[in-house]
Amino acid sequence: SQTIHQWPATLVQPVGSPLSLECTVEGTSNPNLYWYRQAAGRGLQLLFYSVGIGQISSEVPQNLSASRPQDRQFILSSKKLLLSDSGFYLCAWTVRDPNTGELFFGEGSRLTVL
Amino acid sequence: KNEVEQSPQNLTAQEGEFITINCSYSVGISALHWLQQHPGGGIVSLFMLSSGKKKHGRLIATINIQEKHSSLHITASHPRDSAVYICAVSKGAQKLVFGQGTRLTINP
Repeated sequence: SQTIHQWPATLVQPVGSPLSLECTVEGTSNPNLYWYRQAAGRGLQLLFYSVGIGQISSEVPQNLSASRPQDRQFILSSKKLLLSDSGFYLCAWTVRDPNTGELFFGEGSRLTVL
Repeated sequence: KNEVEQSPQNLTAQEGEFITINCSYSVGISALHWLQQHPGGGIVSLFMLSSGKKKHGRLIATINIQEKHSSLHITASHPRDSAVYICAVSKGAQKLVFGQGTRLTINP
């Protein structure tokens, strides 16, 4: 069966420090991968999506970047965190685009930037 | 105005009550998703709809494309149904637009 793992689950980082969140998918090949952010009291916002290795699309200009070094691995990074980067980050995947395919989410990573 | 509006924002009910959560959208869509987010933050996909009605256990989801409206119903609600329910619409090209969510609390 397909599973998705995301880590770390929780982290507290100082302003200006780097960030790396990792997401891996098991049990499927060539998934579409997504990074979402949920700020406190707000809806989910798409940050990045990837339809293949090395292919990254960014939805909003920001302090973050994403990479897909392997088919089932998706990484969210920042060189220098800002206070506004605090939030709940979710990785998701689908076998097709979300017009036709069900979306599956990871457990989420709660980031607090102090 | 948000492209996806959910109502109510918060809903508290007693165990056993019939629950309805509404979602209205203002854009053309390819599909609509209902998601459930538990207190720990994890999100589970409940339904994906492009027309008509779907049922899974005590959950029923309907969509009216002409009226740009969808409803999620829960029959015989239970405290374990307490969660945030999120409506999201697919606009095409990998894009989902999410509603703000409806926080449901079912009291025993």
